[in-house]
Amino acid sequence: QQQVRQSPQSLTVWEGETAILNCSYEDSTFNYFPWYQQFPGEGPALLISIRSVSDKKEDGRFTIFFNKREKKLSLHITDSQPGDSATYFCAAHYGSSGNKLIFGIGTLLSVKP
Amino acid sequence: EAAVTQSPRNKVAVTGGKVTLSCNQTNNHNNMYWYRQDTGHGLRLIHYSYGAGSTEKGDIPDGYKASRPSQENFSLILELATPSQTSVYFCASGRQGAAQDTQYFGPGTRLLVL
Repeated sequence: QQQVRQSPQSLTVWEGETAILNCSYEDSTFNYFPWYQQFPGEGPALLISIRSVSDKKEDGRFTIFFNKREKKLSLHITDSQPGDSATYFCAAHYGSSGNKLIFGIGTLLSVKP
Repeated sequence: EAAVTQSPRNKVAVTGGKVTLSCNQTNNHNNMYWYRQDTGHGLRLIHYSYGAGSTEKGDIPDGYKASRPSQENFSLILELATPSQTSVYFCASGRQGAAQDTQYFGPGTRLLVL
């Protein structure tokens, strides 16, 4: 069964620290991995994404590291801010049509000031 | 700016009743999606659509129907609601033919089935 696994389920860091969120998958045909950020009471919104031809994608304080051989990726949030407190979902694109995504269960990040 | 809206935002229904959740998008996107979000499961795809008049089953379609009467509107229908369908439901839109493209989500509908 297609699965995307995330860990930890919850993470607390202090302001200024680096938060590391992990994701793994099983299906080797997955080739696009978006990360979505969700604040309470809102829908998820795309934060950053990576294609399997790359091993790193940076956007400001957010960086994805991708290891295709091990089928693992991680989201690093450097200089974490209280405003980064949210749930982060790792997802994978699947299916030959319809642009479908399968989501992990999410990591709830809390950044303490 | 691209926008996906959902109504109602909150709904209380009785077991065995019919529930219709509505979604409207002004993105002019062909693809639309319905997900449910539950603790411990993330977001799971229920139904999706390629355009007006089309609906496709997602990963967990049992107990749900969908309707896409126009480019802008996509409804999720629970003909006989059950307590297990208590959840938060999200609608999303995305471009057709743009594999690996962004999905834009609405604010969600919180459904409680008593």
